[in-house]
Amino acid sequence: DTGVSQDPRHKITKRGQNVTFRCDPISEHNRLYWYRQTLGQGPEFLTYFQNEAQLEKSRLLSDRFSAERPKGSFSTLEIQRTEQGDSAMYLCASSLGFRLAGDGTGELFFGEGSRLTVL
Amino acid sequence: GQNIDQPTEMTATEGAIVQINCTYQTSGFNGLFWYQQHAGEAPTFLSYNVLDGLEEKGRFSSFLSRSKGYSYLLLKELQMKDSASYLCAVDDTDKLIFGTGTRLQVFP
Repeated sequence: DTGVSQDPRHKITKRGQNVTFRCDPISEHNRLYWYRQTLGQGPEFLTYFQNEAQLEKSRLLSDRFSAERPKGSFSTLEIQRTEQGDSAMYLCASSLGFRLAGDGTGELFFGEGSRLTVL
Repeated sequence: GQNIDQPTEMTATEGAIVQINCTYQTSGFNGLFWYQQHAGEAPTFLSYNVLDGLEEKGRFSSFLSRSKGYSYLLLKELQMKDSASYLCAVDDTDKLIFGTGTRLQVFP
């Protein structure tokens, strides 16, 4: 298993365009999380899935953002009508367990991220 | 509200010991994680505390006091490769809320 993979690694787009990011978690991981990180800041929670169910979405997330995990495996994060403020690194993470823990099953494993630049 | 505070930057010398503090105020608490993030790379898991006290893993130790809303990460025998950002994160009802991270620079 090669870990969490994200695609594309870099995306440059013009303001107003739509973009979609894909995340393939570690196989058999039940939970999948999306975070956003800007330079000098920690990751900011966006949303998470348990299998195919989206269990929580950040109140800070505008309606332009939507995420899916249709078959409980890979996930997509779409941003519609991008704005310059959307420029960030979008990180995906997965975990095996049904709760977060540091016991070898519950910690988050992060992908390398998808860097978005909106011109 | 959610508030996790860490120092923005720290410097230390190779071979020394450094302590990175984290204070938190969150609506929920199910445990505290420390992650390491090298520039341009993904965060990687370092440690986890859910009960008060010290957890030791090799050169790294992490301490938690739930009553004080306080944790620290202790790095011993610093190496140049320890230069990275260290992220404190609280499990707030099944999602991690991260602090801004502490950028540690280790000098020879």
